[in-house]
Amino acid sequence: GESVGLHLPTLSVQEGDNSIINCAYSNSASDYFIWYKQESGKGPQFIIDIRSNMDKRQGQRVTVLLNKTVKHLSLQIAATQPGDSAVYFCAENSGYNKLIFGAGTRLAVHP
Amino acid sequence: DGGITQSPKYLFRKEGQNVTLSCEQNLNHDAMYWYRQDPGQGLRLIYYSQIVNDFQKGDIAEGYSVSREKKESFPLTVTSAQKNPTAFYLCASSSPRTSGNRETQYFGPGTRLLVL
Repeated sequence: GESVGLHLPTLSVQEGDNSIINCAYSNSASDYFIWYKQESGKGPQFIIDIRSNMDKRQGQRVTVLLNKTVKHLSLQIAATQPGDSAVYFCAENSGYNKLIFGAGTRLAVHP
Repeated sequence: DGGITQSPKYLFRKEGQNVTLSCEQNLNHDAMYWYRQDPGQGLRLIYYSQIVNDFQKGDIAEGYSVSREKKESFPLTVTSAQKNPTAFYLCASSSPRTSGNRETQYFGPGTRLLVL
């Protein structure tokens, strides 16, 4: 069935390093993808999105890359800070504005 | 401030009791959603509503009910038929359709439901 999954459930990085969080999706018809950040006990917060007619999009310290050939999505965080510690979810638009979420990757930033 | 509010932050349910979770938004969004999140897992869709007085079941609607009498409000009732209600419940909303169906969903702070 349709699914969105993640390669790494937990990622540990040193403060100041770059982080890369990966996500695989299975529905080749999905045309819109979103990355969310969720801190403990809070609701998910929108980070960045990308449409399928693009392969890269940049925000403030974050970049999302989309590889439709292998159905892979990644989130790059530059100069990772302690405040970046959270669970990161990718989501794909499966049609009719229904999002399918992956299980999430926990990012732990160490001083 | 514009945003999505959920109340209460914590809710306790006794056996056989129905409880209602509140979700309000002042973003003028047409669509609203309810998700359930279990520890260490992603979000699963319970119900969604694209317009006032209309709603559809999501992937795990059994044991839940909703209403959408006002654009701003989308309350979720967890009924006694839901045998495993302990979870973190998240409400979301999205902007009116422009082109296609690419709409970002924005989330409230969540309600944690616990069973006594």
